[in-house]
Amino acid sequence: DVKVTQSSRYLVKRTGEKVFLECVQDMDHENMFWYRQDPGLGLRLIYFSYDVKMKEKGDIPEGYSVSREKKERFSLILESASTNQTSMYLCASSFEPSNEKLFFGSGTQLSVL
Amino acid sequence: RKEVEQDPGPFNVPEGATVAFNCTYSNSASQSFFWYRQDCRKEPKLLMSVYSSGNEDGRFTAQLNRASQYISLLIRDSKLSDSATYLCVVNMLASNYQLIWGAGTKLIIKP
Repeated sequence: DVKVTQSSRYLVKRTGEKVFLECVQDMDHENMFWYRQDPGLGLRLIYFSYDVKMKEKGDIPEGYSVSREKKERFSLILESASTNQTSMYLCASSFEPSNEKLFFGSGTQLSVL
Repeated sequence: RKEVEQDPGPFNVPEGATVAFNCTYSNSASQSFFWYRQDCRKEPKLLMSVYSSGNEDGRFTAQLNRASQYISLLIRDSKLSDSATYLCVVNMLASNYQLIWGAGTKLIIKP
């Protein structure tokens, strides 16, 4: 089974802190994604990557950056955390763009105080 | 208007009953459609794809109505373990880079 591992299940940070969310997948997938999930809203795509060192903005990239130095690892960076970035962050991967199935990590609930 | 809309529920349904819910989408150019299941405090997992001809997997049936721009999910003989939030997902492209997610319909199966 594909495993997508997110480094933290719960995280509490202060406004202005730099925050790193790590995601690792073990199935040699080309594509990796970062979403955030908020109550009453669908998942919203922050950034995605279709290859090492490649990244593309999703629907809500402002305030975030990403890094993909190795194929299996995709990091989300909040340069200066703000309270409106309090959310559930979900990492996902898939084998190829036409592959309909995304595999998700268990999520990181980030609270910014 | 949201691009993908779902009734948030919750739908409270007795065990063994049949339940169905819909998801409407606004973009007629949408190409592919999916249902994901998300258990409480867990990650989403693909339940099934929705094809033009419909798709059935055991007790679950998914249908697509392009003319009215909605997809449906029907669950027969519901089980307690079916309690979850069901997420509707629409893709306008041939790749999965720009999936549009509904906010989900919460289903509670009662004994």
